[in-house]
Amino acid sequence: AQSVTQLGSHVSVSEGALVLLRCNYSSSVPPYLFWYVQYPNQGLQLLLKYTSAATLVKGINGFEAEFKKSETSFHLTKPSAHMSDAAEYFCAVRPSGTYKYIFGTGTRLKVLA
Amino acid sequence: DTGVSQDPRHKITKRGQNVTFRCDPISEHNRLYWYRQTLGQGPEFLTYFQNEAQLEKSRLLSDRFSAERPKGSFSTLEIQRTEQGDSAMYLCASSAQPGQGDTGELFFGEGSRLTVL
Repeated sequence: AQSVTQLGSHVSVSEGALVLLRCNYSSSVPPYLFWYVQYPNQGLQLLLKYTSAATLVKGINGFEAEFKKSETSFHLTKPSAHMSDAAEYFCAVRPSGTYKYIFGTGTRLKVLA
Repeated sequence: DTGVSQDPRHKITKRGQNVTFRCDPISEHNRLYWYRQTLGQGPEFLTYFQNEAQLEKSRLLSDRFSAERPKGSFSTLEIQRTEQGDSAMYLCASSAQPGQGDTGELFFGEGSRLTVL
């Protein structure tokens, strides 16, 4: 079965530091991959997506992610964390040939002043 | 385009009661999804529709749960004989179909939070 693994349920970084949130997927065929952000008591908002075009994907709010097929990874990065980045982040996969989206368990990002 | 809307946003009920949630997707989106999210967890797939057809339903979904999308527009999710374990955020999402604006992603509503006492 297809799955998504997010390493680290909680990540803390200082304001201005690099943000790195990890995501690995299991799939024999490159799927569609997504990162979503969720603020308290809100729905999920798309940050960025990989749909078999460029392997380095840029999203909103300065986030980007790189699809690495050899590592089956799609890690999310941001060069400099801002206080407003504090939220929960979910990696998701839509396996090729399906319309079902599978989400990871999430990583809560805390930004320290 | 007003986005995906869900109603009610919050529902408190007593164990054993039935509850119904409504989702209005983005107009012209033909796929509609229901997910459940509990504290500290990612969204868990429940079911999805393409137009009015329910194409997939999670095997983890109890028979107490039923979803409909009778006219291919809005959808309802009903939970019968609620249990405390049903307390969660119920998220609805929609997406377009290939060739008609399918950009691959789901668009989520803000969710309906259920508390079962």
